[in-house]
Amino acid sequence: QVQLLESGPGLVKPSQNLSLTCTVSGGSLSRGGFYWTWIRQRPGRGLEWIGYISYSGSTYYNPSLKSRVIISEDLSNNQFSLILSSVTAADTAVYYCAKDKTFATGAFDIWGQGTMVTVSS
Amino acid sequence: DIQMTQSPSTLSASVGDRVTITCRASQTISSWLAWYQQKPGTAPKLLIYKASSLQSGVPLRFSGSESGTEFTLTISSLQPDDFANYYCQQYHSYPWTFGQGTKVETK
Repeated sequence: QVQLLESGPGLVKPSQNLSLTCTVSGGSLSRGGFYWTWIRQRPGRGLEWIGYISYSGSTYYNPSLKSRVIISEDLSNNQFSLILSSVTAADTAVYYCAKDKTFATGAFDIWGQGTMVTVSS
Repeated sequence: DIQMTQSPSTLSASVGDRVTITCRASQTISSWLAWYQQKPGTAPKLLIYKASSLQSGVPLRFSGSESGTEFTLTISSLQPDDFANYYCQQYHSYPWTFGQGTKVETK
C-alpha cells in the first residue's frame, strides 16, 4: 500500500520560496503509471490542484500558478518536491501530496496527511 | 477553467436520512468526476470516481450518478461517521478543479 508523507518548513517569509517534499513508501515513483500531485487548501477555502509530475517525469501545472511552480522528482530517494516561488500571504495553506488511482488518472486515492505552511514575516 | 458548482453549501440532516449533494460542471466533463469526503484536520478521502464507481472499501450507502453536466452524490442512510465536508472534482480538462464543498451537519 502506497503511503505519502509531506515535509518542509511550516513558516516561510513573504517573497521567499516555499519548498516541500513528499516521500513515497510502498511504491515507486517511476512505476505504475501514476501522476504524483500537489494540492493545497487555503484556510476556509476549497481545494486547489497545483500540478503533477508523472511516472515518466513530465510535468503539468495549474496555469494560475504556473509562473511560480516547479515540481521535480528524486528517484533515488523516491521523493517528489514542490517549489513555489515569491510567496505571499495568499499562499498560506495546507499542502497535500497525492497519487492518482490506477486507470483513473486525476482521481486521487492516496493522500499525504498534509502540511500547514504559513507565509508571514 | 471548468467551474464546479456544488449545492447546497450546507446540509442539515439526521442519522438515517437520505442525503443528496449536487455538483454542476460549467461544461461537459463526460464522466470524469470524483467525490471526496473530508473531516476536519484530515486529508480528503476518495469515495467515488468516474462519476459512479465506488472506491474500494467505501460503504455501499454511498453512490454517484450523472445526468449531462449534473452529478449527484447520494448517501442512502446517513450514519454518524458521515458528518463531514464533501467535494466534487473534475479531471476531464486541465486544470483539474474542485467544487467549493458541501458541509453535512447534524440537524
